[in-house]
Amino acid sequence: GAVVSQHPSWVICKSGTSVKIECRSLDFQATTMFWYRQFPKQSLMLMATSNEGSKATYEQGVEKDKFLINHASLTLSTLTVTSAHPEDSSFYICSAKGGLGSSYNEQFFGPGTRLTVL
Amino acid sequence: GQQVMQIPQYQHVQEGEDFTTYCNSSTTLSNIQWYKQRPGGHPVFLIQLVKSGEVKKQKRLTFQFGEAKKNSSLHITATQTTDVGTYFCAGLNNFNKFYFGSGTKLNVKP
Repeated sequence: GAVVSQHPSWVICKSGTSVKIECRSLDFQATTMFWYRQFPKQSLMLMATSNEGSKATYEQGVEKDKFLINHASLTLSTLTVTSAHPEDSSFYICSAKGGLGSSYNEQFFGPGTRLTVL
Repeated sequence: GQQVMQIPQYQHVQEGEDFTTYCNSSTTLSNIQWYKQRPGGHPVFLIQLVKSGEVKKQKRLTFQFGEAKKNSSLHITATQTTDVGTYFCAGLNNFNKFYFGSGTKLNVKP
């Protein structure tokens, strides 16, 4: 199946700093990428939908100025958590759609990035 | 807003017993997908259901999509320890967005 990578896999930062997370589709061109966050023992919450070359669509309650998404190419989307605070600590997962051989809107998930803000 | 509920939240079974998780949406879905997430891992796609009333099988797993396309179920026959993990449904709405259910964590005792 298609492979999606995320970098970094984990990051610890001080409160007030910004953190960039990269999501790459390694062997296919992703028409759409999604960003989710997952709190411990909870489900995935869709944060935003990202289409290459256009502005991301954010879900209700997600601050677009806080979580900056850039989808510069068909293989790369980035999520920047600006001025991170401890409440932003979470597991962030991206997924990509549109892989060669993928069926029916199948999403391919990255391994996730665990963010801890001190 | 869009809500996808899943029950039960947790299920502990003895190896060999059956397991079922149910997914209900507040709105009609275009399709529904099921994912499995192992502890410490990321969600892995299992299957997609598109048609009203559709039933699909993957070895010991049986997936159903309701007639109204608002509910779905995943049934595992004769569970094995390798089935341990959290099972999520994800519904695709008419705006082409996926919303994940709350997940059912399955623990299988050997």
